[in-house]
Amino acid sequence: DTAVSQTPKYLVTQMGNDKSIKCEQNLGHDTMYWYKQDSKKFLKIMFSYNNKELIINETVPNRFSPKSPDKAHLNLHINSLELGDSAVYFCASSQRAGGEREQFFGPGTRLTVL
Amino acid sequence: AQSVAQPEDQVNVAEGNPLTVKCTYSVSGNPYLFWYVQYPNRGLQFLLKYITGDNLVKGSYGFEAEFNKSQTSFHLKKPSALVSDSALYFCAVRVYFGNEKLTFGTGTRLTIIP
Repeated sequence: DTAVSQTPKYLVTQMGNDKSIKCEQNLGHDTMYWYKQDSKKFLKIMFSYNNKELIINETVPNRFSPKSPDKAHLNLHINSLELGDSAVYFCASSQRAGGEREQFFGPGTRLTVL
Repeated sequence: AQSVAQPEDQVNVAEGNPLTVKCTYSVSGNPYLFWYVQYPNRGLQFLLKYITGDNLVKGSYGFEAEFNKSQTSFHLKKPSALVSDSALYFCAVRVYFGNEKLTFGTGTRLTIIP
C-alpha cells in the first residue's frame, strides 16, 4: 500500500488554465503539507494543515488554494496558471505538527505550464 | 529564523570509500535535525534524525550522522559507499518550539563512482 499518494503524476497545461492536484495518506497522520521543488531542486514549504486546520501558509500567491476535506486528504488548486508555476509539487504527512516527527513524502506531481 | 547550509552542490566518492555530506544549521534554540534522500523522479525518503542525547545517530542503509553543537553541524556519513547511494541528499532543521516549519538545505548531489 502506498503511504502518501498523489494524482496526477504528470500535468501538462496551458497558461491561464486552472488545475488541481490531489493527495491522500493512509498513515493515520494528523498533519499534511504541500512543497514546491523548482528546477534547481530547491524545496520550499507552501502550506500545512493539522486536523484540517491551516497552520502554515507561506508567501504563496493567492492563485494557490489548498483544501483539506478530511485528515487523510489535502488537495491543491491552482488558478490562472503561469509559466513560473512549472515545478514538482510534493505532498507530505507527519504524525503531528512540529516536534521530532519525520515527514513522509508522496512521489510528486510534475507540473509543466506551456 | 532558522536556516540550513549544505556547502557542496556535488560530492563524488569512489565506491568502497567513506563518504561525508556536510550540513550546518542556524536556529534560535535547540534543533531537531533530519536527513532525507531523493532518488531520481521520486519523493524524499527519511534517513535519520537527531532529537536529543547521543550525538551519533544511526539511520537507514548504513548511514549515520554526527551532531556537533559547538560547530552547529550535522554531517552525514557512511563508512563504505555503494553505487546505489548515488542520489540527492537534503539536510533539514526545525526548532524545538514555535514554528512547525521544516527548513531544508539546498541539497547535495552524491555520486558514487564504480
